[in-house]
Amino acid sequence: GAVVSQHPSRVICKSGTSVKIECRSLDFQATTMFWYRQFPKQSLMLMATSNEGSKATYEQGVEKDKFLINHASLTLSTLTVTSAHPEDSSFYICSARDRIGQPQHFGDGTRLSIL
Amino acid sequence: KNEVEQSPQNLTAQEGEFITINCSYSVGISALHWLQQHPGGGIVSLFMLSSGKKKHGRLIATINIQEKHSSLHITASHPRDSAVYICAVRLVQTSGSRLTFGEGTQLTVNP
Repeated sequence: GAVVSQHPSRVICKSGTSVKIECRSLDFQATTMFWYRQFPKQSLMLMATSNEGSKATYEQGVEKDKFLINHASLTLSTLTVTSAHPEDSSFYICSARDRIGQPQHFGDGTRLSIL
Repeated sequence: KNEVEQSPQNLTAQEGEFITINCSYSVGISALHWLQQHPGGGIVSLFMLSSGKKKHGRLIATINIQEKHSSLHITASHPRDSAVYICAVRLVQTSGSRLTFGEGTQLTVNP
């Protein structure tokens, strides 16, 4: 079946560091990718939606300068958390979809811990 | 009130039991997903459905559009089924493809 690979699975770094998370679709063309954030024992919160070759659409309250999203190809999207601070510590999950009406496929997530 | 409500929040069962998790939504949808989130955080998409019933192995998902309700059933449950099960809907009223998620149901199956 369709697979989405997310890397790294875990990041621990110092405050002020920028962290890049990659999301790749391995056997399909991800026209649309979604980035979610999940706090402990809470549901997924959509941060942004990106279509290949276009600027990402950010949800209300999500700082686009803080969370940089690049979706330059049909198989790769990246989320960069710039100048990360402890409050950015969270579980970040990407998902990808080929086209409207098709299921979304999820990555395994990245656990980000900022010290 | 959340647009997507799941019940129960927590469910503990003995191995072999038949399990039902419910999902109700309050507005029109174009599709409903059942997702499984493992303890490590990874998410697997179990079903996407817009009508009727789907079956995959020991898992069955049903949806009643008129009643705005869906159920996920697990037959002959096993400890490896222990996970958080999340109902997510694509609302007709929202643009694009964003999903609206339920709070999840934590399932624990004891041997």
